[in-house]
Order: sequence, then structure tokens, then C-alpha cells
Amino acid sequence: DAGVTQSPTHLIKTRGQQVTLRCSPKSGHDTVSWYQQALGQGPQFIFQYYEEEERQRGNFPDRFSGHQFPNYSSELNVNALLLGDSALYLCASSMGQGNYEQYFGPGTRLTVT
Amino acid sequence: DQQVKQNSPSLSVQEGRISILNCDYTNSMFDYFLWYKKYPAEGPTFLISISSIKDKNEDGRFTVFLNKSAKHLSLHIVPSQPGDSAVYFCAASAREDFNKFYFGSGTKLNVKP
Repeated sequence: DAGVTQSPTHLIKTRGQQVTLRCSPKSGHDTVSWYQQALGQGPQFIFQYYEEEERQRGNFPDRFSGHQFPNYSSELNVNALLLGDSALYLCASSMGQGNYEQYFGPGTRLTVT
Repeated sequence: DQQVKQNSPSLSVQEGRISILNCDYTNSMFDYFLWYKKYPAEGPTFLISISSIKDKNEDGRFTVFLNKSAKHLSLHIVPSQPGDSAVYFCAASAREDFNKFYFGSGTKLNVKP
């Protein structure tokens, strides 16, 4: 049973560019949450997708957007990249909304130069 | 604003002894708390949780204590094992905002053989 998978593993982008990160949830899970983890800090909630809609959002600007597909996989898009967007981006999946038990993927390390 | 704080960046403990990891929170609306363990190059793994209706929850070598009046929780690991060496994050959520988890900055535990 595959857990949560994320791609790519690492990514280097230039300031001002756009990036798309991908996440496949654990089998049987239908809810995907995205987190940003800056160096030396804990994960910060970006948003959560359920039934292909954004259900909750953290304190992130509109440059951060997402999408969930009918197969429950999800994308995180970040436009107009800033140096401060450099971080580890974690995807977590769960079964249904309000399920506290989340399974995290290994993350995508984004470096903005 | 940091609503969940882990004030000890690191902790070193001898194998077989007790490890105590601490976490403080400021939001009185938080009613569910979790601990995650993270190894390098992996996503956080759920370890143990506690609801605000309880003050203690045990799972094998791991016990979480919650002191609501002090807005403090702690994770006890007894006995500590070298395989427990990892970064530990505490996280909190509020019922009306249950999809949104707030994480502390983590404590790196080193269990010495």
C-alpha cells in the first residue's frame, strides 16, 4: 500500500517564476492538505482540499493556489516566486474532513534563487 | 503569531532514561493535540494524540499529558531508545477550525546509546 507520494523531490526556481508541486494521497484517502515548512520551523498550514474544493485556508497570499483532481491527487501552485518561498512543502492526506489522523509525504524541497 | 511553541530546540537523553518534550499553546480554543515524529528526508509521522476532555493518554512507551489551565502539554518517552532520535513536533487544532493544524517549531531528540 503506497503512502503519500510527492513530486518532484527537489526543485530550483528563479524569483518571479511559477511552480507546480504534485501530491498523490494514501490509498483510500480523499482529503489533501498542504503545508510549508521553512528551515528551523514547524509546518504551516496552507490549505486543504476535499471533494475538489478548497475547504480551509491558512494565512498565505493568493499567489498560493491549488487543485484537487477526481482521483483525489492534488497540485500546489505558487506564482511570482519570492526568495522567502524557499521551503519544504509537505502534503498530508486523510480520510474525510475532520479526521485528525493525517499521513504526510516526504515533501518537495523548493529553492528560489 | 506563534500559537504553538516548543521552546527547547534540542534534547539529549541517555538510552533507557525518560525523555520529556514540552509544548505550550496560547489559543484557548484548541481542543485536540497531536505529536508527530520526523526523521530526516521523511514526512512527519503521527505518534500520539489527546483530546481536551482528557489529561493523559498512553500508548506503549509514549504518554502525552495535557494541562489545560497552563496551556501546556508534554510527551514522555519511557524508556528512551536510540531509534527514538528524531525531531518531534506538537500540533494543535480547534473544533470549529478542525482542518487547520498549528505546529510548533520542533524539538530534536538525541538518545545516546
